[in-house]
Amino acid sequence: QLQESGPGLVKPSETLSLTCTVSGGSIRRYYWSWIRQPPGEGLEWIGHINHSGSTNYNPPLKSRVTISVDTSKNQLSLKLTSVTAADTAVYYCARTRYDYIWGSYRPLGFDFWGQGTMVTVTS
Amino acid sequence: DIHLTQSPSTLSASVGDRVTITCRASQSTTNWLAWYQQKPGKAPNLLIYMGSSLESGVPSRFSGSGSGAEFTLTISSLQPDDFATYYCQHFETFGQGTKVEIK
Repeated sequence: QLQESGPGLVKPSETLSLTCTVSGGSIRRYYWSWIRQPPGEGLEWIGHINHSGSTNYNPPLKSRVTISVDTSKNQLSLKLTSVTAADTAVYYCARTRYDYIWGSYRPLGFDFWGQGTMVTVTS
Repeated sequence: DIHLTQSPSTLSASVGDRVTITCRASQSTTNWLAWYQQKPGKAPNLLIYMGSSLESGVPSRFSGSGSGAEFTLTISSLQPDDFATYYCQHFETFGQGTKVEIK
């Protein structure tokens, strides 16, 4: 199981911080992604990480995103800086199937998801 | 970057109908394409991976086909539980979604 947690409200220009706790299995065997979904819109991949801390981020968000992992707690974290209203979304963590393709680890599918947590950016 | 376009955006169908959703990529994806079902207020659920492999636990009425730049998700006989939004995904990119609604 995956469970996201963190503040539901964030002020503009501040940093959004979320945690995903993985239970029922080790965080070590897979890649783990953050994916978001603005209200009424589609899905946007934010980035992924593996147990050793190797990351890859979506280029439009790369300058503002940090994903980290704490294997002792079986947790991954998301930090998104300088948020605006456009960052208002449901944020999901998801277990990621991957393969090494064309020189990098690419997500092939997301097979387990957290329930998601709504984050609203508002003053 | 690859862009995925799903069609139609909305589909009206009845229980028992055969339903087909198409995902077209701006360039070849080989067979690295997955399909998801999402119901309101819920996380997406993986249905198909690698273009045509049925995820464990997913009913056999769901099937995926295609290769290269065009893929199809088919529901052979639409059930009440299947009214939802469906997304395709290639690596880091998702399609815009297809909503299947009751006719």
